[in-house]
Amino acid sequence: QVQLMESGGGVVQPGRSLRLSCVASGFSFNNYGMHWVRQAPGKGLEWVAVIWSDGSNKYYTDSVKGRFTISRDNSKNTLYLQFNSLRVEDTAVYYCARAGYSHDAFDIWGQGTVVTVSS
Amino acid sequence: NFMLTQPHSVSESPGKTVTISCTRDSGTIASNYVQWYQQRPGSSPTTVIYEDDQRPSGVPDRFSGSIDSSSNSASLTISGLKTEDEADYYCQSYASNNHWVFGGGTKLTVL
Repeated sequence: QVQLMESGGGVVQPGRSLRLSCVASGFSFNNYGMHWVRQAPGKGLEWVAVIWSDGSNKYYTDSVKGRFTISRDNSKNTLYLQFNSLRVEDTAVYYCARAGYSHDAFDIWGQGTVVTVSS
Repeated sequence: NFMLTQPHSVSESPGKTVTISCTRDSGTIASNYVQWYQQRPGSSPTTVIYEDDQRPSGVPDRFSGSIDSSSNSASLTISGLKTEDEADYYCQSYASNNHWVFGGGTKLTVL
């Protein structure tokens, strides 16, 4: 079935780097834009970044611009989020989500991976 | 970017109907589709309404969505409430500069 599976979360010190992965299955990954969405502990959902289906365009929320990089490898059906210069406020569950229904929406979500930034 | 404002919490009894609002503070609500996501405790979000009023397959017709241009808001209505509907609900829309916006979320309690 259609599925997204994130991995790579963990506990990391402020200022360090980390890379998340999201493996897609059950659909033609190279036909869909993909997003990262995060949720800080006890808080709401926050859109983080998007990448077009062919990787040609990438956009970020202002608070992560210059520190996070979204990328994908369509040959491996995998989406990535590279963190640099992590901050305590980046602590969250990170979800990958498929751009579906329309350009506006997320139709399939992964189960999430937890990133904790702490000294 | 605009903001989407939702009530922090709502509560209603089983079998009743509840409506959750989502108000856009600038620009027109009809400019971009509104989606609604359900997030049960400990789970990832799932889509219950997309493109203002469309239900994904598998979502019961007890869930409905609408927009109201006069109040510049969207609404999610759940009828015949069940205890399994207890969850956080988020509205979401697209900002026309390649950014996506979520409302702050509404905690629905079915008591």
